[in-house]
This record gives sequence, C-alpha cells and structure tokens, in this order.
Amino acid sequence: DGGITQSPKYLFRKEGQNVTLSCEQNLNHDAMYWYRQDPGQGLRLIYYSQIVNDFQKGDIAEGYSVSREKKESFPLTVTSAQKNPTAFYLCASTSTRWAYSNQPQHFGDGTRLSIL
Amino acid sequence: QKEVEQDPGPLSVPEGAIVSLNCTYSNSAFQYFMWYRQYSRKGPELLMYTYSSGNKEDGRFTAQVDKSSKYISLFIRDSQPSDSATYLCAMSAWVGKIIFGKGTRLHILP
Repeated sequence: DGGITQSPKYLFRKEGQNVTLSCEQNLNHDAMYWYRQDPGQGLRLIYYSQIVNDFQKGDIAEGYSVSREKKESFPLTVTSAQKNPTAFYLCASTSTRWAYSNQPQHFGDGTRLSIL
Repeated sequence: QKEVEQDPGPLSVPEGAIVSLNCTYSNSAFQYFMWYRQYSRKGPELLMYTYSSGNKEDGRFTAQVDKSSKYISLFIRDSQPSDSATYLCAMSAWVGKIIFGKGTRLHILP
C-alpha cells in the first residue's frame, strides 16, 4: 500500500541536542511538507519542498532544517536553537509539483517529540 | 478576522444522531474545500474534497459548501463511536497555501 511513513513514533530530546525526524513516501509525490501541531493551535507549516534539492521555509522555520536528496525522503532536523520543540510533527505530500496548489495533502501518522 | 474559523468543541452527541460540523472563512478566493478526520496520536486522513459550492456525498458523510455565506459543513449520518475524532476543515484558492482550521473534537456517546 502506498503511503507516508514517519519514524520514530515517539522521540525524546535532551538539552542542546539535535534530533532528526524521518519521512518517507512511496506515493511518487513531488511536493512534501512538514507541519507542527500544538493543542489549540492547528497545523503550522515549517518547511516544504517541491522538488529534489529544493526546499522553502514555511511560517515557523526558525530552529528547524530539512534536506531533500531523494524524491521519497524529506527528513526534518529539530536543532538546539528550537527552544520549544515539544509538539506533534506531521509530514505530508501532494501529487503536484506546485506546493501551493489546490490538491489535498496526504499525511503520515506523525512523530511526537518531547524534551527530557 | 482569521482566515478559517472552526469551533474547537468538544461536541458530544449520542450514537445514531446526525452530526453537523462547520467552518467559516473570510477569503472569497477559496474554491477547494477539504475535511480531514484525525484520531488521537494519528495523522489527519482526507475524508472529503470538494470544489466550489454545492453538496458531495460519500456514504454516511456529506460535505456542503455555501460560498455566498463563506460557510462549509460536514454532516455525519448514523454516527458511530468510531466517528469520535478531531475533524479539520481545510481550504485553498486556485493557487496558494492550504489553510487548515484548528479542528473540532467530536465524541459519539454509545
């Protein structure tokens, strides 16, 4: 079955540590996205990528970094500069190359990041 | 005024009842409307995707769009305990970012 796989499901970060969240899709989708979900705040866009080796900042990119070396993979690194990283992180993708398109996004099952 | 407004709930209804979930929006350029269902500790799952005004039905679910009032609804007939989840509306223009509502928590009481 095609879909988006996020790992790990739960992740703990120590002070000063960078952590990387994995997102892999086998839908052959071009555009991929990272969102952060906090209670009562909805989905906030962190980064998106329309094509391999290209990515753009979303609304809350500070303290995060991404890479897009393969079409199927879009890992997110939460750096030590992100002072409030505790949240539920969701990866999504759309079939069209244009990230800002009207096509619906399909989501993975998320990674919950907590601070130790 | 926020672009998309959605009552956070929780909304509690008895099993078998008809559920009505709603969103209002301010951007008249929005033409594409989506409803997602999100279970606890899971990602959002696309339920309905509609274009412009009118109704779309899929099983027990009906999505309704009233562009003149900038108002969209999701109706769930014969609600089941398995429908208990958070429901997110989302919308976009022809081009532009998809804007999500904050979600309504729904509890179906057995």
